[in-house]
Amino acid sequence: GAVVSQHPSRVICKSGTSVKIECRSLDFQATTMFWYRQFPKQSLMLMATSNEGSKATYEQGVEKDKFLINHASLTLSTLTVTSAHPEDSSFYICSARDHLAATQYFGPGTRLLVL
Amino acid sequence: SQKIEQNSEALNIQEGKTATLTCNYTNYSPAYLQWYRQDPGRGPVFLLLIRENEKEKRKERLKVTFDTTLKQSLFHITASQPADSATYLCALDIGGSQGNLIFGKGTKLSVKP
Repeated sequence: GAVVSQHPSRVICKSGTSVKIECRSLDFQATTMFWYRQFPKQSLMLMATSNEGSKATYEQGVEKDKFLINHASLTLSTLTVTSAHPEDSSFYICSARDHLAATQYFGPGTRLLVL
Repeated sequence: SQKIEQNSEALNIQEGKTATLTCNYTNYSPAYLQWYRQDPGRGPVFLLLIRENEKEKRKERLKVTFDTTLKQSLFHITASQPADSATYLCALDIGGSQGNLIFGKGTKLSVKP
């Protein structure tokens, strides 16, 4: 099946710093990528939808100035958590939608811990 | 309000038995329903997709049913194995150009040898 990678897999940072997470579709072109956040024992919550070459669409309650999304190419989207705080600690997962299919392929996730 | 519920937070079964997981939804009209497997600390892995006009879909030991009248999907794993232990998520694709998925909280399946 299609492969989506995320980097880094884990990151620990100090409060107030910014963290960038990369999401890549390795063997297909993804015009649309999605960013999710998952807290323990909770479902995946969609944060934003990222379209190549245009601005991301954010879900209600997600601050676009705090969670910066850039989808510069058909295989790469980045999420930057700016001025991170301990409450931003979570599991961040990206997915990429194969433009030829209805299926979303998920990355392995990034565990963020803000101290 | 719109809801998607997976009835059991956890399900424990004996190896060799059939596991049946339930996904119910309200106030949605999904174009597709998908099932994913998620292992601890990992992203979800796609298993099966079933369309609104399909009643049943099979893949090896997996079977999914979709009843749009009951607004329910059942996910079955036959001849279950300890390696099937994981959290299983159902997700509704409510259509549209973005293809957004709405996820349930998941059911954690434990298969005991």
